[in-house]
Amino acid sequence: AQSVTQPDIHITVSEGASLELRCNYSYGATPYLFWYVQSPGQGLQLLLKYFSGDTLVQGIKGFEAEFKRSQSSFNLRKPSVHWSDAAEYFCAVGANTNAGKSTFGDGTTLTVKP
Amino acid sequence: DVKVTQSSRYLVKRTGEKVFLECVQDMDHENMFWYRQDPGLGLRLIYFSYDVKMKEKGDIPEGYSVSREKKERFSLILESASTNQTSMYLCASFDVMNTEAFFGQGTRLTVV
Repeated sequence: AQSVTQPDIHITVSEGASLELRCNYSYGATPYLFWYVQSPGQGLQLLLKYFSGDTLVQGIKGFEAEFKRSQSSFNLRKPSVHWSDAAEYFCAVGANTNAGKSTFGDGTTLTVKP
Repeated sequence: DVKVTQSSRYLVKRTGEKVFLECVQDMDHENMFWYRQDPGLGLRLIYFSYDVKMKEKGDIPEGYSVSREKKERFSLILESASTNQTSMYLCASFDVMNTEAFFGQGTRLTVV
């Protein structure tokens, strides 16, 4: 069975500081990995995704993530956080592209200090 | 602009009522999903549908059913609402070609 762990429930960073959100997954085959962001009162928006190829993927809003098979990790990073990045972030692992079924982590809430 | 629309942002229902949550997408996607979101539990899959009149149970289908009579519309039904079904419900539509899910804004349901 597939699973996703986001070890940090809540992270606080100062505006302008760098950010790394951790994600570890468990999956029997090559995973399809996603990061989503959810602003308060909104649905989820896809930030980036990984299926194969270059292990460093670029997404929207200046985010990037690196797939490390040996560590079963897919951590999300941003060099300089903006106040508008305050939101909840979800990592997800997909069963296959055709189904679109994903297992989500419990989420990490990001607070940005001025 | 692609869109997934959930008919209600907020709903308050009484215990035992039959509740319908509606979701419509305008992207001609075949795959649609209903998730439930609770604090600290992430998103959990209730039901999904690959095509009209086709549905499959997700991880937590108990107490729920679904209907997909038309491609663009996927409805979640609570046959007899209970207080433990108070939650945020998210509908998603999936673009197979680009491997991307599009989410509605969610319906926050309170059962009293």
